[in-house]
Amino acid sequence: RKEVEQDPGPFNVPEGATVAFNCTYSNSASQSFFWYRQDCRKEPKLLMSVYSSGNEDGRFTAQLNRASQYISLLIRDSKLSDSATYLCVVNQAGTALIFGKGTTLSVSS
Amino acid sequence: GAVVSQHPSRVICKSGTSVKIECRSLDFQATTMFWYRQFPKQSLMLMATSNEGSKATYEQGVEKDKFLINHASLTLSTLTVTSAHPEDSSFYICSAIQSGYGYTFGSGTRLTVV
Repeated sequence: RKEVEQDPGPFNVPEGATVAFNCTYSNSASQSFFWYRQDCRKEPKLLMSVYSSGNEDGRFTAQLNRASQYISLLIRDSKLSDSATYLCVVNQAGTALIFGKGTTLSVSS
Repeated sequence: GAVVSQHPSRVICKSGTSVKIECRSLDFQATTMFWYRQFPKQSLMLMATSNEGSKATYEQGVEKDKFLINHASLTLSTLTVTSAHPEDSSFYICSAIQSGYGYTFGSGTRLTVV
């Protein structure tokens, strides 16, 4: 079983749509959780950290359920510029980040 | 902020040759550097963890004699792909931790072995 699993998609949505990505992780000792964004042939960039209480950053909302070992990302009012691959990432303090395979989002006009 | 400079960004080499990839932390000291590899449509897979002044720790299935990692200073870590073959063609990327800034990635190296 892979440590971090995501639906690879692709998700093809029109501008303005709301889209949700899900992720599960297998290591219950994981302490930190993130969503990264990766554009084609580029390095991943931190989108947001994910906290148990849930957190929001503009159009992006992240949720964490430690009991179910489940992480989600909600994107509201999708923009063309949101087209990218979204990576679910977990780790334990001070150790390497463990990446999911990524979910590809394509937003069209 | 924390910046990690990685080069080359792209390299094409002949089968059997060696390629060195460098990652430098420009404005902080990186005691630990992580090296990842990403094949097309795959996730970033951790290859090894390098610590300044000590031997790197390799993940299961990664050949330490083929992927040589050197972390001789607090600002420089190198990955050398020895006797490269076409199956080593991939996107290689490094990452360092800086206290207060979290994880910073280099811009990646796209290696093509022909």
